[in-house]
Amino acid sequence: QSVLTQPPSASGTPGQTVTISCFGSSSNIGINYVYWYEQLPGTAPKLLIYRNNQRPSGVPDRFSGSKSGTSASLAISGLRSEDDADYYCAAWDASLSVPVFGGGTKLTVL
Amino acid sequence: EVHLVESGGGLVQPGGSLRLSCAASEFTFSSYGMHWVRQAPGKGLEYVSGISSDGGSTYYANSVKDRFTISRDNSKNTLYLQMGSLRVEDMAVYYCARWDDYGSGSNMDVWGQGTTVTVSS
Repeated sequence: QSVLTQPPSASGTPGQTVTISCFGSSSNIGINYVYWYEQLPGTAPKLLIYRNNQRPSGVPDRFSGSKSGTSASLAISGLRSEDDADYYCAAWDASLSVPVFGGGTKLTVL
Repeated sequence: EVHLVESGGGLVQPGGSLRLSCAASEFTFSSYGMHWVRQAPGKGLEYVSGISSDGGSTYYANSVKDRFTISRDNSKNTLYLQMGSLRVEDMAVYYCARWDDYGSGSNMDVWGQGTTVTVSS
């Protein structure tokens, strides 16, 4: 059971916008930054969004992050076949004193 | 290009020990905290351990506390994870990651390719 809660799956067709949610609590998302990671099949995770809504260089602006209260969202617009991957949210948990991850959302591009 | 390369994975019996290494290159290793994150077969990411840039502060998930020890050698640009009393549930791919915003967040901005630990008799 993950500390942060994500839907196990999401799907969309090319060109659509998909949103993945991440629910936490007052000890993690409520008071700390949220990060999003993308993991393509058979590869290591890659940083997608940091500090709630910042994109590292090289990440397309089709990816955007937001946070409100104890929840966060990752939106992917103009969906492409290469977005077919697993997506994880993460945040520092003040009670556990370590970062915690969501269970991951498998995005399928139909 | 910033690079992290894990090594040391392998097959170990339950109750055994193993030491993982993570060699860093193309950045000032001694200026960054570091993380270990693992992924069991077919499962999601699980935080394992973290360490500050000077090694003075360490962090552990409850699942590995008192069994695993994180350390680093800044003169060798290398991060370590000493794993003991290994259990079947510790079987996973272990990734090291750079801690980009130590003290203000938990950003993992660069990841290695992972090393596989198999725990089986």
